[in-house]
Amino acid sequence: QQQVKQSPQSLIVQKGGISIINCAYENTAFDYFPWYQQFPGKGPALLIAIRPDVSEKKEGRFTISFNKSAKQFSLHIMDSQPGDSATYFCAASMGSGTYKYIFGTGTRLKVLA
Amino acid sequence: NAGVTQTPKFQVLKTGQSMTLQCAQDMNHEYMSWYRQDPGMGLRLIHYSVGAGITDQGEVPNGYNVSRSTTEDFPLRLLSAAPSQTSVYFCASSYASGGGGELFFGEGSRLTVL
Repeated sequence: QQQVKQSPQSLIVQKGGISIINCAYENTAFDYFPWYQQFPGKGPALLIAIRPDVSEKKEGRFTISFNKSAKQFSLHIMDSQPGDSATYFCAASMGSGTYKYIFGTGTRLKVLA
Repeated sequence: NAGVTQTPKFQVLKTGQSMTLQCAQDMNHEYMSWYRQDPGMGLRLIHYSVGAGITDQGEVPNGYNVSRSTTEDFPLRLLSAAPSQTSVYFCASSYASGGGGELFFGEGSRLTVL
């Protein structure tokens, strides 16, 4: 299976709260899991990425948690800010030897001031 | 650096018309690709190229043609537009040889087919 399933479709969080977006995959050959952030009218931009040899990666307020056995990974945004309001996409690829990225369906995050 | 540049930003076509969406990158990336973004569908890969003269199909290639004559340019052609091709199109490039690298996206081209 090549799908990457993303949830929730939309999310509303109060300023200062934690935003959590989840993704699940089936193909165990995937070995690169990036998250992209997209603001209205703009193209997606890489936010943070992880490979399956680690269970967590943190960059500032953004953390990816990776559960290889469950084939799930999630994005946590700590201390969410109104400027984080955007659409977030998870993705997966098989890394070396392929350039095909499979994207999730996206989560529209709104952080209330 | 301009990064990935897409033109036009907006286009309205009638069913059956043809057009070309342009994509250029100035980062000397070998890998270039086209995605379409539809509500609730995420980003779906149309075609991609791993270098000049080399192209391959993605998930949704039907109705689209591509060519790669130079490293910098990767145009997407719609030969006979259909309403189902109404979408936002993104071009993306990557420096990674062998895959698994960061994709750099353009700002998108919004196409409406009437």
